[in-house]
Amino acid sequence: AQSVSQHNHHVILSEAASLELGCNYSYGGTVNLFWYVQYPGQHLQLLLKYFSGDPLVKGIKGFEAEFIKSKFSFNLRKPSVQWSDTAEYFCAVTSDYKLSFGAGTTVTVRA
Amino acid sequence: EPEVTQTPSHQVTQMGQEVILRCVPISNHLYFYWYRQILGQKVEFLVSFYNNEISEKSEIFDDQFSVERPDGSNFTLKIRSTKLEDSAMYFCASSEPGRYGYTFGSGTRLTVV
Repeated sequence: AQSVSQHNHHVILSEAASLELGCNYSYGGTVNLFWYVQYPGQHLQLLLKYFSGDPLVKGIKGFEAEFIKSKFSFNLRKPSVQWSDTAEYFCAVTSDYKLSFGAGTTVTVRA
Repeated sequence: EPEVTQTPSHQVTQMGQEVILRCVPISNHLYFYWYRQILGQKVEFLVSFYNNEISEKSEIFDDQFSVERPDGSNFTLKIRSTKLEDSAMYFCASSEPGRYGYTFGSGTRLTVV
């Protein structure tokens, strides 16, 4: 069975700092990769997704992620965070009929 | 932009009661899903549904749970006899043919008391 690991449970940083959230998965076949964000009190929203092609994917709100197949990783990055980026971030991997989510990383951005 | 709609947004029920959570997937999507997120835990897959039948279910999805697409637009999750541990946020999702492009609804917060 596939699994998704997110390295950090809680990240605290200041505005304008750079953010990188790690995500690794264990599945040998063809995968599709996603990052979702959940702002406080709101539903899951898709930040970005990777299906094929350029392994560097750009998403909404200035986020990007890089798929490194040899490392089974799909890390999320943002060069300069804002207070409004405070949220929980979930990495997800799909194969067959379902998505598997990581445990999530809570990001707190201090003004 | 098309949305997946879930109702109600919050439901409180007594232990042992039956609840039905409702979802209206995006109209041209063919695959439907239920996930749940217990407070403080990760999002868990419950069940996927395609062509009017369950295509996959997790071990969480036991005999207390059932899904149905009663008409051309709604997709429901029924819990027959709720337990305290069923308290969670339940998310419906749908995806396009080819199973790409999952879209999640805003969730139903179920509180079992």
